Amino acid sequence: GQSLEQPSEVTAVEGAIVQINCTYQTSGFYGLSWYQQHDGGAPTFLSYNALDGLEETGRFSSFLSRSDSYGYLLLQELQMKDSASYFCAVNLSGGYNKLIFGAGTRLAVHP
Amino acid sequence: DVKVTQSSRYLVKRTGEKVFLECVQDMDHENMFWYRQDPGLGLRLIYFSYDVKMKEKGDIPEGYSVSREKKERFSLILESASTNQTSMYLCASSLQVRDSPLHFGNGTRLTVT
Repeated sequence: GQSLEQPSEVTAVEGAIVQINCTYQTSGFYGLSWYQQHDGGAPTFLSYNALDGLEETGRFSSFLSRSDSYGYLLLQELQMKDSASYFCAVNLSGGYNKLIFGAGTRLAVHP
Repeated sequence: DVKVTQSSRYLVKRTGEKVFLECVQDMDHENMFWYRQDPGLGLRLIYFSYDVKMKEKGDIPEGYSVSREKKERFSLILESASTNQTSMYLCASSLQVRDSPLHFGNGTRLTVT
């Protein structure tokens, strides 16, 4: 079977750093993606890791360890607008860009 | 900018009705996907299509079918709607490259009464 585990909720204050973890167990793995979804909005792509290590995109970074079946999304200098749900998703091997999503982590940023 | 448009934002149907959810993308993407989103369950893949008239089952295809007659349009069909199909339905498209981001529509909230 396929499973992705991530915390259901995280709370932080403006200006802080928060890390959202994701562990996965899937039959076939090509890469790990992260998506952001604001309430009432569409999920939007944030980052992608195919290789071990850290990928940085502005205030957001994403990390992957294939040997540990683990990744995380790091959000720095938190802003109120970062309050949203964050989904990790495994790109399965076998072509066609098929993604399996986790249940999502709801991030609440407080002043 | 990629635009994925879902025909309805809200839909209310009765049990047993045949329901069509339509999705159109304007970026000539080969891949199109239908997900449903439920609280605490994340996004679950119903069906995807990698070419016109081609389709593959996702993780929860039971009770659904799909149609892709043209590259830009992907339809999700509920043959006989049931109350457990009340959900948010999200359509997405992507290039046929394994690390290509998915571009999502704004979703259709379907209520089956």
